[in-house]
Amino acid sequence: EVQLVESGGGLVQPGGSLRLSCAASGFTFSSYAMHWVRQAPGKGLEYVSAISPDGVSKYHANSVKGRFTISRDNSKNTLYLQMGSLTTEDTAVYYCARRLGPTHPFDYWGQGTLVTVAS
Amino acid sequence: DIQMTQSPSSLSASVGDRVTITCRASQTISTYLNWYQQKPGKAPKLLIYAASSLQGGVPSRFSGSGSGTDFTLTISSLQPEDFATYYCQQSYTPPPYTFGQGTKLEIK
Repeated sequence: EVQLVESGGGLVQPGGSLRLSCAASGFTFSSYAMHWVRQAPGKGLEYVSAISPDGVSKYHANSVKGRFTISRDNSKNTLYLQMGSLTTEDTAVYYCARRLGPTHPFDYWGQGTLVTVAS
Repeated sequence: DIQMTQSPSSLSASVGDRVTITCRASQTISTYLNWYQQKPGKAPKLLIYAASSLQGGVPSRFSGSGSGTDFTLTISSLQPEDFATYYCQQSYTPPPYTFGQGTKLEIK
C-alpha cells in the first residue's frame, strides 16, 4: 500500500525555522519526483516545491525561494522541506505528493502537516 | 507562470443533478490537466488526469474533457458524497504546476 506520511509541523515564531519530513512506503521512492503543496487555512492549494527522482533538479515557488529548500534521501525513502525565515503567510497545511513523470498525475498525497507561524 | 481560472467558485446543486465545472489555462497546456476532490480536513484526491482519464477507483459519474486551454469536469448524477471542493491543476512542464482557485460544491 502506498503511503506518504508528513511530520515536523508545529507552532513556530516569525523568523524561525522548521524542517518537514515526508516518509514514503509501498512504492519505489527513488523512481518518483516528489512535490510539496500547501494550503493556508480556508484557502486553495498552492504549489511550493519539486525535486527530481535523483534529487538533482529542484524547483521552489517565488513565494518561498531563498527561504525553503527541498531535499530527499532515497536511502531513507524520505522527502524533506527545510523552511526558514518563516512569516505568518507561511501558515498552512503542507502536503507531500508523488508523480512518476511528466505524463503522470500527482496520484498519491500525504495527509498533511500543519505549520503555524505566530508569536 | 501558467494561471488557472476555475468557474464557478461555488455551486449549489441537488442530489441527482448534472454538474459541470470549467477550468481555463492562461496558455495552452495540451491535455496536462488534472482534477482533484477535497473534503474538509482531508488531502486532495485525484479524480481525473490527462484531462479525461479516470483515476482507478473513481466512480464513472465523473468525467473530464478538453484540451489546449479549456477544460471541464462533469458529474453526471450528484451523490451525497460528492459535495466537496474541486480543484483543477495543470502539470505542463516545467513547474510550477499551478492550481485553480477551487469550486465549492454545496447541497441545495
